Amino acid sequence: QVQLVQSGAEVKKPGASVKVSCKASGYTFTSYYMHWVRQAPGQGLEWMGIINPSGGSTSYAQKFQGRVTMTRDTSTSTVYMELSSLRSEDTAVYYCARGGVRFLEWLGYWGQGTLVTVSS
Amino acid sequence: QSVLTQPPSVSGAPGQRVTISCTGSSSNIGPNYDVNWYQQLPGTAPILLIYGNSNRPSGVPDRFSGSKSGTSASLAITGLQAEDEADYYCQSYDSSLSGWVFGGGTKLTVL
Repeated sequence: QVQLVQSGAEVKKPGASVKVSCKASGYTFTSYYMHWVRQAPGQGLEWMGIINPSGGSTSYAQKFQGRVTMTRDTSTSTVYMELSSLRSEDTAVYYCARGGVRFLEWLGYWGQGTLVTVSS
Repeated sequence: QSVLTQPPSVSGAPGQRVTISCTGSSSNIGPNYDVNWYQQLPGTAPILLIYGNSNRPSGVPDRFSGSKSGTSASLAITGLQAEDEADYYCQSYDSSLSGWVFGGGTKLTVL
């Protein structure tokens, strides 16, 4: 069965960076795109970007360009999302979500989420 | 402000039918981009409810259905049950933004 297991909660100070991991299992890691989506407290879902685990190519939401980096490690079937220059507004639950084989397909499986708290 | 517009809340009594609208534009829902719907129960990660405008993943009850027309889409829930109380999000791709977009979410209350 498909599983996406994310790293644990983080507390960071403003200006710092955070790196969240998402370990995939139960399917061929390099065959499916992976997305990152975040949700601020009491707010809706916000798409951050997508990575192709096969070649490592990425596409980021305009809002996060320059601050976000998505990478993958095919040897461990893990994708990473690093967000830099953190500010209080980045406090949110960050989810990885598996896309499809094709670029425009739906987000079929979601990780459990990782709470990132930015506070001085 | 979300690119896709959903009503903030809807409600219905057990057994009733409710619909949730999702309004977009010519750069997202309008042309060739599908709409997907997600259900998020309190305190949990979202799950896929409808994909490709009107398809249900295995395990999703047929009480849930989706449709798309022009630059809008709708999620219908029939035979409302208490366990359907959740937040619902529509999602599509936007060519102007070159990225995926979500609606603001709709909170369903079962009276």
